[in-house]
Amino acid sequence: DTEVTQTPKHLVMGMTNKKSLKCEQHMGHRAMYWYKQKAKKPPELMFVYSYEKLSINESVPSRFSPECPNSSLLNLHLHALQPEDSALYLCASSYQSGGWSEAFFGQGTRLTVV
Amino acid sequence: QQQVKQSPQSLIVQKGGISIINCAYENTAFDYFPWYQQFPGKGPALLIAIRPDVSEKKEGRFTISFNKSAKQFSLHIMDSQPGDSATYFCAASRKTSYDKVIFGPGTSLSVIP
Repeated sequence: DTEVTQTPKHLVMGMTNKKSLKCEQHMGHRAMYWYKQKAKKPPELMFVYSYEKLSINESVPSRFSPECPNSSLLNLHLHALQPEDSALYLCASSYQSGGWSEAFFGQGTRLTVV
Repeated sequence: QQQVKQSPQSLIVQKGGISIINCAYENTAFDYFPWYQQFPGKGPALLIAIRPDVSEKKEGRFTISFNKSAKQFSLHIMDSQPGDSATYFCAASRKTSYDKVIFGPGTSLSVIP
């Protein structure tokens, strides 16, 4: 099983809403990532969790709050987003952090902020 | 500052032809160069990767050529098929920070019958 599952696939939220994106993998990977991808652009790294601890935060605004409840799950809590935050949010995982290993991406959550 | 440059931005190739995508980097600390393929509505998937101690790597119809002195690398897709139509991202990462994969801007490839 080389699957990273993201839910929901699509999300529309207002600027005052609070919502969460979920990501799950059962490959035993110890590194998990959140990326943001705008249309026709490459993915931009947001956060990295290594062994369930936040290891990289790419200066992401606090309206995005990541959480890693256990080694298989990764959440991204959203609050007071702006329309410019509309994008495809991708979760990825890799076997280990600190050394190169293939990152497996989920299909993403298409987020629209209205 | 764009750390990984990629060209062309878009590419149209006839079925059976060769697709060539070029990338260049500045940071000599990069030591791993993966290529990702992304279909519409899907996340990127690793296609092939190379380290700078190797000048060429081939996997099926996909070949990476690497020129360390020029700090350039390229992807060749032989016998291109309509199913290869996707966006291709070259990328780079470095030993001290493999988690920070730096993506190129991407190339949209269309293979026409």
